[in-house]
Amino acid sequence: AQTVTQSQPEMSVQEAETVTLSCTYDTSENNYYLFWYKQPPSRQMILVIRQEAYKQQNATENRFSVNFQKAAKSFSLKISDSQLGDTAMYFCALHGSGNTGKLIFGQGTTLQVKP
Amino acid sequence: DTGVSQDPRHKITKRGQNVTFRCDPISEHNRLYWYRQTLGQGPEFLTYFQNEAQLEKSRLLSDRFSAERPKGSFSTLEIQRTEQGDSAMYLCASSLFSGAFFGQGTRLTVV
Repeated sequence: AQTVTQSQPEMSVQEAETVTLSCTYDTSENNYYLFWYKQPPSRQMILVIRQEAYKQQNATENRFSVNFQKAAKSFSLKISDSQLGDTAMYFCALHGSGNTGKLIFGQGTTLQVKP
Repeated sequence: DTGVSQDPRHKITKRGQNVTFRCDPISEHNRLYWYRQTLGQGPEFLTYFQNEAQLEKSRLLSDRFSAERPKGSFSTLEIQRTEQGDSAMYLCASSLFSGAFFGQGTRLTVV
């Protein structure tokens, strides 16, 4: 079975500072995909960043980057220059290389960016 | 708007009634998913379609739940004889390869 664990229920950061959200996972597959999704108070889930397990290079999307440690099964999200609009719940998710692409989500981390 | 669209956004129903939700995926996406999300939790997978074929169903999807995707386009999720425990946000997502795109969800309240 695949599992995703986010051990930080809530975090806060001052505007313009950097914050890191943690995620660990477990899977028996050798190839898989990892994601971070953002869910603002309006509730629509938005894909923030994606990492393919066979790629060693960490993914980056503007102010968002990941630290992917395959051996440790760790996948953290770093948000640089935090903005008020980054306030949201963040979910780490995983799917295997099989055909379905169904996502297994963590419990989420609520991030509050303070002015 | 070319995103995933869900209707209705909110539904309040009495216990025992049937409800049906609709999802219109991104047009070129052949994969469609339904998830359920309760407050403060991550979404839980319910079912998956590839084109019109329903290829996987979660154990969460009891006999009272049925989903269809006729002609591989829009999808419907029906809940029969609703129970208070069915109160949740029902999310639809679609994808072409990896990484799904989500709709805004349908919030169901069973009273």
